Amino acid sequence: NAGVTQTPKFQVLKTGQSMTLQCAQDMNHEYMSWYRQDPGMGLRLIHYSVGAGITDQGEVPNGYNVSRSTTEDFPLRLLSAAPSQTSVYFCASSYSYLGTEAFFGQGTRLTVV
Amino acid sequence: AQTVTQSQPEMSVQEAETVTLSCTYDTSENNYYLFWYKQPPSRQMILVIRQEAYKQQNATENRFSVNFQKAAKSFSLKISDSQLGDTAMYFCAFTTRNNAGNMLTFGGGTRLMVKP
Repeated sequence: NAGVTQTPKFQVLKTGQSMTLQCAQDMNHEYMSWYRQDPGMGLRLIHYSVGAGITDQGEVPNGYNVSRSTTEDFPLRLLSAAPSQTSVYFCASSYSYLGTEAFFGQGTRLTVV
Repeated sequence: AQTVTQSQPEMSVQEAETVTLSCTYDTSENNYYLFWYKQPPSRQMILVIRQEAYKQQNATENRFSVNFQKAAKSFSLKISDSQLGDTAMYFCAFTTRNNAGNMLTFGGGTRLMVKP
């Protein structure tokens, strides 16, 4: 059972480049989400999805796009990378009932130069 | 809006001793859950313990227990018999049905160092 698989683990981008962070889960979870982690600020929600074909913005959505064509996959796209997007990114998934445990990928450390 | 505050950016404890990490939160909801997640140097987020707001009994998981004070909106984590493997970032988190898709609101984290 792979859980939540997130790739790549590390990435360096130049300002203005675009890229996609991949996330896949094999637990048939309805909910998937993307967070970014910055020092002293914990994890902040970027975008989330409550099911295939349904996505919405979180707390810090600017500069990021998502789509969810299948239950398993939830990629995060950086359209035009900026130094302010240097961060560690986490994908998470969970069932829909309140209080359920969220399962996280191993994170992607992204540096934008 | 819900907020979660962890007032201790860094803490240290001697191996085998007990340490308490603080967390306060703010919400107007009555039905919610609180969590403590651990993030070791590997960066993996691991659920340590969770507490339902309607349950008066404090949750415990082996060496980990919480002190949940609903009126004070406080949710501290106590680690007993600290081990070197407890060295990690600890995040307090909160969710309520009115949160976007049952998503989590995190505190800023407490970095815990267990010293031999």
